Amino acid sequence: DAGVIQSPRHEVTEMGQEVTLRCKPISGHDYLFWYRQTMMRGLELLIYFNNNVPIDDSGMPEDRFSAKMPNASFSTLKIQPSEPRDSAVYFCASSGQLSNEKLFFGSGTQLSVL
Amino acid sequence: ILNVEQSPQSLHVQEGDSTNFTCSFPSSNFYALHWYRWETAKSPEALFVMTLNGDEKKKGRISATLNTKEGYSYLYIKGSQPEDSATYLCAYWMDSSYKLIFGSGTRLLVRP
Repeated sequence: DAGVIQSPRHEVTEMGQEVTLRCKPISGHDYLFWYRQTMMRGLELLIYFNNNVPIDDSGMPEDRFSAKMPNASFSTLKIQPSEPRDSAVYFCASSGQLSNEKLFFGSGTQLSVL
Repeated sequence: ILNVEQSPQSLHVQEGDSTNFTCSFPSSNFYALHWYRWETAKSPEALFVMTLNGDEKKKGRISATLNTKEGYSYLYIKGSQPEDSATYLCAYWMDSSYKLIFGSGTRLLVRP
């Protein structure tokens, strides 16, 4: 398996623009997570899905953030409109069926909002 | 508010030194404790998943212990090598919820 695949690796955009981050989890994994990494707050959980259903989105900072998982092999995290304070590294991770299984992380998307 | 605390924040050691760092977490409603290794410009990779009080896990020169009653875990590196330089993250899983709360990490630099 190629692991968790995220795209793009880097995204530079202007304030107010829409940003879409993409993630392909490992095949067979039932859980998908979106995390954000910042210097101030470390790794923060934004939202996670179980079998394509959003379970907990309490970490999503504002209504400008939304996430979808239309099928088992694809998820998106959208920011509209983007703001400079959204600049961070966004990680997607997936894990298997058991709740004590380790997470497999994608390579992350470095987002810069100017 | 769940607090997962790691200490020290950073650590510089000489090649060959053994070192250890601490992860503290709430002792109530414990479900699992994870350790991840995060190299610069890469993504975090799992080292250990620990669930039982008294658990000890080992992977090469790296080992970890777990005390769920007092809420701490230690990560040990024996004979540190420059390639061990990374940030080591612990993450706490409360009961059966699927929220893995990460600490801020210990950044290790091993000098040749």
